[in-house]
Amino acid sequence: DAMVIQNPRYQVTQFGKPVTLSCSQTLNHNVMYWYQQKSSQAPKLLFHYYDKDFNNEADTPDNFQSRRPNTSFCFLDIRSPGLGDAAMYLCATSSHGGESQYFGPGTRLTVL
Amino acid sequence: SQQGEEDPQALSIQEGENATMNCSYKTSINNLQWYRQNSGRGLVHLILIRSNEREKHSGRLRVTLDTSKKSSSLLITASRAADTASYFCATEGNFGNEKLTFGTGTRLTIIP
Repeated sequence: DAMVIQNPRYQVTQFGKPVTLSCSQTLNHNVMYWYQQKSSQAPKLLFHYYDKDFNNEADTPDNFQSRRPNTSFCFLDIRSPGLGDAAMYLCATSSHGGESQYFGPGTRLTVL
Repeated sequence: SQQGEEDPQALSIQEGENATMNCSYKTSINNLQWYRQNSGRGLVHLILIRSNEREKHSGRLRVTLDTSKKSSSLLITASRAADTASYFCATEGNFGNEKLTFGTGTRLTIIP
């Protein structure tokens, strides 16, 4: 089945220790998104790629970076995680911007 | 901010009853979407309604859109315990920037 896969599902890191979250898709969608979601809040868009074009949200901290080496994969790098970065990180894809988005199961990040 | 507001924030009903959630937004849109999120999971797309549509059905779901009032409602009929989840509306603004803006969400609990 076509899907969006996120690894790992749970990630524990130490304060200041870099971490990378991964997302892959078999849908062959052009657009990939990274969201941060804290408890009982709406997903907050961090950035997205339309093909290889990277679009950063104005309020996304520099601590967050992303890479999309090919259509199928997208990575979220957190260079120096702080306690405030503990959250669920959701990857999503869309065939065209603004249309229905398909979400992965998320990665729960804990920062010690 | 274009973020939508959802009302109510939380809703508890008996199984078999109908559940209605409302969403308001601030700017002109191309479409409005509803998503469901089970606890600790990714979001699942439920239904998309375009700005030139007024009502849409999918199974037990009925969505209405009133662009003059900048509001939408999601009705779930004959609720089931499995409908327990958070429900988010999301809007695509008519800026052509491939992004969705999510509302604050309604936490729905179905009491068996």
